[in-house]
Amino acid sequence: EAQVTQNPRYLITVTGKKLTVTCSQNMNHEYMSWYRQDPGLGLRQIYYSMNVEATDKGDVPEGYKVSRKEKRNFPLILESPSPNQTSLYFCASSIAGGPNNEQFFGPGTRLTVL
Amino acid sequence: GQNIDQPTEMTATEGAIVQINCTYQTSGFNGLFWYQQHAGEAPTFLSYNVLDGLEEKGRFSSFLSRSKGYSYLLLKELQMKDSASYLCAVRPVGAGSYQLTFGKGTKLSVIP
Repeated sequence: EAQVTQNPRYLITVTGKKLTVTCSQNMNHEYMSWYRQDPGLGLRQIYYSMNVEATDKGDVPEGYKVSRKEKRNFPLILESPSPNQTSLYFCASSIAGGPNNEQFFGPGTRLTVL
Repeated sequence: GQNIDQPTEMTATEGAIVQINCTYQTSGFNGLFWYQQHAGEAPTFLSYNVLDGLEEKGRFSSFLSRSKGYSYLLLKELQMKDSASYLCAVRPVGAGSYQLTFGKGTKLSVIP
């Protein structure tokens, strides 16, 4: 089954404790992206990647890091989480090229930073 | 930059028709998407418009006017399961053309 998976789905942590949220897709998509979703603010892009070893900042990159060493994986790293990073996080992927390259979203990771 | 506006909430009756509007101001335009998102779930793709006009897909249709910076999503024969948030997203022109900028979403409640 074609899908985007994220782990963990739920995480409660404390300020300053480094964490990684994994994202993997099995559709051979070149493009991958991370979003956070907050009430009243909608989906905002954190980082995106056009292909392996090609990443760039989105609209709200502060406090986050990403890497793209393999095509299928795009982990999101919070080196020193803070309470304002409490949010619902979505990973998404799409093919590159073509006009109608819809993004496929993972199931989401609900993160709480105490 | 991008600015996308949608109504925050709407309510409609089961079996009726509802139109959700989206207006945008962007520095470049390379397509508009509509996504559906049920509470606590991932967004799922509904429609894509890049040329002016109406795209129909079953009970859902989406319209685009590039000159007016305006789109709408039309849902016919509403069902209770259509209660969800509907997200309008714009793709810019340029190097980051695979990026999407999302509006804040319209929460639709379908009532009996």
